Amino acid sequence: SQELEQSPQSLIVQEGKNLTINCTSSKTLYGLYWYKQKYGEGLIFLMMLQKGGEEKSHEKITAKLDEKKQQSSLHITASQPSHAGTYLCGAFSQGGSEKLVFGKGTKLTVNP
Amino acid sequence: NAGVTQTPKFRVLKTGQSMTLLCAQDMNHEYMYWYRQDPGMGLRLIHYSVGEGTTAKGEVPDGYNVSRLKKQNFLLGLESAAPSQTSVYFCASSYYGFYEQYFGPGTRLTVT
Repeated sequence: SQELEQSPQSLIVQEGKNLTINCTSSKTLYGLYWYKQKYGEGLIFLMMLQKGGEEKSHEKITAKLDEKKQQSSLHITASQPSHAGTYLCGAFSQGGSEKLVFGKGTKLTVNP
Repeated sequence: NAGVTQTPKFRVLKTGQSMTLLCAQDMNHEYMYWYRQDPGMGLRLIHYSVGEGTTAKGEVPDGYNVSRLKKQNFLLGLESAAPSQTSVYFCASSYYGFYEQYFGPGTRLTVT
């Protein structure tokens, strides 16, 4: 079964700093999704990547999927306290379109 | 649009009691999902549905039953609750497979 490994598990940064979160799979990723979760709340969809080499941006968050489609990164530029939360990557199991598998998440703290 | 809603938000059960969690979506999505989220385990798929009247097992289905009698609703049942079912339960829906999933706010369940 597909497993997604996220690194780091947690991250503390000073406001204004840039940061990167990684999501790695041992198998080809068929659709890679990034979500954000604030404590005690549901997941908010951020971005979806499908093609090798694809890159998408939304405000100060950029997500990339590598050419081999086995690793994705989420980069935040000039972090703000509003970026704090847990970021999760998700991907579909090989050959299946029903079951989304999630990484365990990266907890981000942004200090003012 | 309300998106995905879950009822109730919190619940405390005693071992052996039963309960039903209700998920409703107003986006006309075909696919619906139930996940549980536990510390250190991440999000795990319990059951899912690819359309009205259909259900299928996910990664951790034991101890749970589901029903999708109406397209907009997906019910998760616990027939005889156990302390191991203490968790936060999330419902999600998507237009079809490979589309982004939209999550509800979660139900925090404690079984004593």
